Amino acid sequence: DTAVSQTPKYLVTQMGNDKSIKCEQNLGHDTMYWYKQDSKKFLKIMFSYNNKELIINETVPNRFSPKSPDKAHLNLHINSLELGDSAVYFCASSQSSQGGAYEQYFGPGTRLTVT
Amino acid sequence: GDSVTQMEGPVTLSEEAFLTINCTYTATGYPSLFWYVQYPGEGLQLLLKATKADDKGSNKGFEATYRKETTSFHLEKGSVQVSDSAVYFCALAPRGGYQKVTFGIGTKLQVIP
Repeated sequence: DTAVSQTPKYLVTQMGNDKSIKCEQNLGHDTMYWYKQDSKKFLKIMFSYNNKELIINETVPNRFSPKSPDKAHLNLHINSLELGDSAVYFCASSQSSQGGAYEQYFGPGTRLTVT
Repeated sequence: GDSVTQMEGPVTLSEEAFLTINCTYTATGYPSLFWYVQYPGEGLQLLLKATKADDKGSNKGFEATYRKETTSFHLEKGSVQVSDSAVYFCALAPRGGYQKVTFGIGTKLQVIP
């Protein structure tokens, strides 16, 4: 009954490779996010989708390409991996509302190590 | 733009000590405010929230009050336990539209027996 799941949990790869991370939520939420957390625990929003539409696209290298096949899934593909991409990537979801406060539910994270 | 300023850690306390983690914010309008907690090796989870001025959020013995006059949302707990050791994030979300949550830098709390 996992709410937000991510695969893989760990990913070790070499520079220059291409990799993907997958995220799925079974909460019926309409909005999903990708965050990057660095080694100092700083959390940075990367992308957000609402009903499969990209609504937040922060200053992220275009080597990163999100894709949302449906509102329950959000994937992240990374081309030409670099050492600086090493981090923990979190997927999150929430239910959008106008003027209301709603929490984000986070997945367990994917620890990406680029060697 | 919106911002959240949070005290830098780490904070080390003995078990049963009183905890305060300071958080102040800058935002237009009246945002919603949150505290998230991240236990080692896990994702963030909501600890408590407040949606308007003078609201008090509380959960698991933690409390925080939305202070509009001082733009603050300090986290407090009267008696911490070893199991409270984690990283705590203050966050805000603007009202209306699609929420882009702004997180603070996170404060690591270590509670020693």
